[in-house]
Amino acid sequence: QVQLQESGPGLVKPSETLSLTCLVSGGSISSSSYHWGWIRQSPGKGLEWIAAIYYDGTIFHNPSLRSRVSLSLDTSKNQLSLGLGSVTAADTAVYYCARLKRSVPDYWGQGILVTVSS
Amino acid sequence: DIQVTQSPSSLSASVGDRVTITCRASQGIANYLAWFQQKPGKAPKSLIYAASSLESGVPSKFSGSGSGTDFTLTISSLQPEDFATYYCLQYYTYPPTFGQGTKLAIK
Repeated sequence: QVQLQESGPGLVKPSETLSLTCLVSGGSISSSSYHWGWIRQSPGKGLEWIAAIYYDGTIFHNPSLRSRVSLSLDTSKNQLSLGLGSVTAADTAVYYCARLKRSVPDYWGQGILVTVSS
Repeated sequence: DIQVTQSPSSLSASVGDRVTITCRASQGIANYLAWFQQKPGKAPKSLIYAASSLESGVPSKFSGSGSGTDFTLTISSLQPEDFATYYCLQYYTYPPTFGQGTKLAIK
């Protein structure tokens, strides 16, 4: 059974960078059968796709966030990472990592609430 | 981006009822549509992909249909555990976009 677990700071100051990691167990992030993504959910904007990364490092960004997003895979730790720069209050949300099967999230992490506030 | 509009935004029903939720895409997306169920404080759970294919382990009371721009999720014989918020997701073009959700409440 694949499990994903997000971790990172729950509070980030405006203009700083939000950094999250997602530890994957029960499956390898190096598998070519799947790719991995980040999705966020806020009361104001609902569910929003952030970006996805393939096993070979290819990244597909949401154009609305592209300039601020960085994604990476660490195969030695079987985890993926998300960076979101220059955050504002509008970036306050629950952030989920997910395994993507044919671009559909079939396994999700439990989510982590990140609040942007000084 | 492709816009996905769900209706209704909320719905009340009784245990045993059958309900239908609709998603309409702003342009044709073939059958690249998925459905999710979300309960409070939990991550969404995948129910259906490719408009009508059931994810492994999802009961057959859930069914999906449609292609092009109009899609439906039908839930039959509602049980207490089915009361949740449901979302659709189009993944025909990047970025994938979600509907705004339909909250299904007990009448």
